Amino acid sequence: GNSVTQMEGPVTLSEEAFLTINCTYTATGYPSLFWYVQYPGEGLQLLLKATKADDKGSNKGFEATYRKETTSFHLEKGSVQVSDSAVYFCALIQYSSASKIIFGSGTRLSIRP
Amino acid sequence: DVKVTQSSRYLVKRTGEKVFLECVQDMDHENMFWYRQDPGLGLRLIYFSYDVKMKEKGDIPEGYSVSREKKERFSLILESASTNQTSMYLCASSLRGDTQFYGYTFGSGTRLTVV
Repeated sequence: GNSVTQMEGPVTLSEEAFLTINCTYTATGYPSLFWYVQYPGEGLQLLLKATKADDKGSNKGFEATYRKETTSFHLEKGSVQVSDSAVYFCALIQYSSASKIIFGSGTRLSIRP
Repeated sequence: DVKVTQSSRYLVKRTGEKVFLECVQDMDHENMFWYRQDPGLGLRLIYFSYDVKMKEKGDIPEGYSVSREKKERFSLILESASTNQTSMYLCASSLRGDTQFYGYTFGSGTRLTVV
């Protein structure tokens, strides 16, 4: 079946460090891929998305590229800020899945000043 | 600004009580979902609905039921609350046929404690 695997947390970095959060997926066909972010005490917000192979999603300095050959959608940011501290979820949806998104388990990111 | 609204941010209920969690969206979305979120377990789908009066079981429906009498409102019901239902509950919605392009819109969550 379809699944999403993302790196275990928590991840702790210093401000201005480079961030990578790994995400790989298993799916038949051509899923759409998402990254969601959950700030403390809040619901999830869509951070970025990519709907086909080689697409790059970007938002708020974060980027992720849809790599079909490696079935990956790693999240990157060149210089993190304290305000980026949150839980990040990788997710996929297949067109045939009747609108059900499959989420990874989430990665908690903490940024030290 | 379009949104999904969950009626309570924090709720404390006693074991055995019947609990209603309400979710309302103003985006005319057909699809609505209820998840629970627990540390180390990520998001788990409880129930979802594709249209008024329709419901489908998710991965962990036991101990829960749902109601969708109007398109904009999707209620989660704990028939007899138990301590293992203490959790963060998240409601989400999406537009049929567009979910693969736009994903879900989530509410802010309800943190339920059953004592």
